[in-house]
Amino acid sequence: DTAVSQTPKYLVTQMGNDKSIKCEQNLGHDTMYWYKQDSKKFLKIMFSYNNKELIINETVPNRFSPKSPDKAHLNLHINSLELGDSAVYFCASSHSTLGYQPQHFGDGTRLSIL
Amino acid sequence: SQQGEEDPQALSIQEGENATMNCSYKTSINNLQWYRQNSGRGLVHLILIRSNEREKHSGRLRVTLDTSKKSSSLLITASRAADTASYFCATDDMDSNYQLIWGAGTKLIIKP
Repeated sequence: DTAVSQTPKYLVTQMGNDKSIKCEQNLGHDTMYWYKQDSKKFLKIMFSYNNKELIINETVPNRFSPKSPDKAHLNLHINSLELGDSAVYFCASSHSTLGYQPQHFGDGTRLSIL
Repeated sequence: SQQGEEDPQALSIQEGENATMNCSYKTSINNLQWYRQNSGRGLVHLILIRSNEREKHSGRLRVTLDTSKKSSSLLITASRAADTASYFCATDDMDSNYQLIWGAGTKLIIKP
C-alpha cells in the first residue's frame, strides 16, 4: 500500500492554464506538506497543514492555493501557470509538526510548462 | 531558505568502498535528519540524530554530529549499486517554527 500518493505523476500544460495536484496519505498523520524541487534539486517548503489548518505559508505566489478537506488530503491548485513553475512538486506527511518526526514523501508530480 | 550545504555535490566510487558525505548548517538545531532520494522518486528518511548525540548507527549507515562545528557526516560502508541516489540532510531550525531546512544534496554514484 502506498503511504503518500499524489496524482498526477506527470503534468504537461500550457502557460496560463490552471491545474491541480492531489495528495493523500494513509498513515494517519496529522501534518502534511507541499515542497517544490527545482532542476538543481533544491527542496523548498511551500505550505504545511496540521489537522487541516495552515501553519506554514512560505513566500509563494498567491497563484498557488493549497486546500485540505481533511487531514488525510492536501491538494494544490495553481492558477495562471508560468514557465518558472516547471519543477517537481512533492507532497509529504509526518505524525506532527515536531522537527524530530520523519517526513514521508510521495513520488512527486513533474510539472512542465510549455 | 536553504540552510544545509552538502559536500561534496557529487561523489562517484566503486562498489564495496565507503562513501562519506558532509552537511553543514548555520543555526542552532534540535535534530538533524538524513534522507535518500532515488532517481524519479520521493525522499526516504534514513536516520535522525539529536543535538545531544554525537554518533548514531543504523545498519551500514553511520552518522556523526558536531554541534560546535555545525556539521554532520553520513558514512555508508561497503557501498552497493543500490545506494546510488541523492542524499539530503535536513535540520529543524529552532527559529523557524520547527520546519525542516534542507540542504542541496549529494549525488552518489556507485560504480559496479
